[in-house]
This record gives sequence, structure tokens and C-alpha cells, in this order.
Amino acid sequence: NAGVTQTPKFQVLKTGQSMTLQCAQDMNHNSMYWYRQDPGMGLRLIYYSASEGTTDKGEVPNGYNVSRLNKREFSLRLESAAPSQTSVYFCASTGQALEETQYFGPGTRLLVL
Amino acid sequence: QKEVEQDPGPLSVPEGAIVSLNCTYSNSAFQYFMWYRQYSRKGPELLMYTYSSGNKEDGRFTAQVDKSSKYISLFIRDSQPSDSATYLCAMKRGSNYKLTFGKGTLLTVNP
Repeated sequence: NAGVTQTPKFQVLKTGQSMTLQCAQDMNHNSMYWYRQDPGMGLRLIYYSASEGTTDKGEVPNGYNVSRLNKREFSLRLESAAPSQTSVYFCASTGQALEETQYFGPGTRLLVL
Repeated sequence: QKEVEQDPGPLSVPEGAIVSLNCTYSNSAFQYFMWYRQYSRKGPELLMYTYSSGNKEDGRFTAQVDKSSKYISLFIRDSQPSDSATYLCAMKRGSNYKLTFGKGTLLTVNP
């Protein structure tokens, strides 16, 4: 049981390049989330997927797109990377139980030059 | 006013000290309260989860919720260097709602 996994762990991009961050969970969770974490800003929600087949914008969705490929996988795409997207990106998932909380992946560190 | 306020610190204490970490919130609809611990270059991990007002204890950790004051706390007794991390409070309105996080408090426990 690996929990939430993310790839890659670290990536350097040039401005304008595109890339996809991958996330997978093996806990049979319905809901999945993408956050970014910046110094002094805390965790900010980019997009989330309450269930397979649905996605919704979070607090900071501009410049990003997501795909809920199936119940296990939720990817985040940067179509044209900008230096402002330099950050640490975390994927999380949660089940449906009343007291269920979020389980986080190890993060992807992205540097956009 | 932000929904959740958390003093970012940093907080530096000697080993063995009692640590108090706090968050205030403005939305009275929040019902579920959590504390996450995040080590450097790692993802957050759940430390404590509370629902009702009052105290919940787990080993050296005690989570306290005061819904009337909209105030939550995490106490760490006999703090250890291994407790050095960023602590994030989080809360949500119900099972189908998103988490709202505080910005985190950086704690260093010095041996």
C-alpha cells in the first residue's frame, strides 16, 4: 500500500514549456486534490476532483488544467509554464467517511526559469 | 479577514519544553479540525483529528478545540528534536467539503 505517489519528484522547466505532473493513489479514495505550497502562502488549492469524472477549480486555477483519468489517477498540466509557477506541488486524496481526512503525496518541486 | 489565521513563527524551544500552537478561525460552520505535521521537503501528514469542542490526547500531543471562541490549539509535551517541523492547522465544514489550511508554524526544538 503506497498511499499517494507523485512523479516527478523534481523538474526544471524553461518559461513557455509544458509538463504534466502525475498523481496516483491506491486507497480507493473518491476525492483527489492538487495544491501548491509557497513560502509564506501556505497550501493553496489549485483544482480538485470530488469523484471520478468531475473536476472543479480551487483557489488558484489560472495557468493549470487537470484530468481525472480514472479513480486512481489525477494529473495536473501546465500548458505554458511561467516563473510564477515555481513552487512545490502536492497531490492529496480523501475517502468518503465522515471523519475521513486528506492524505498527501511527497510533492513535486518545480522550478521555472 | 482570512478564514483561518495561524502565527507562522518561527518558534524555537529547548528540548523538553511544552509547546503551544494555535489557530483562530472566522467561519462558525467549521466542524472538523485537524493538525498536520510537515517535515522539511516532505508532504504533510495527519497528526490529530478532532470534531467536538474539548481536548483530545494522543501520547505527548493534545488537541484542543474551543468552538465558542473559534480557537484551536495543539500542545506538545516534553518536546523532542524530532518534533521540529512545520505544523499546519486545517478545518472543514463537513465530509464533502474541502479543507481550509492555516499557513503553518515552523517549530524548532533545540537539543
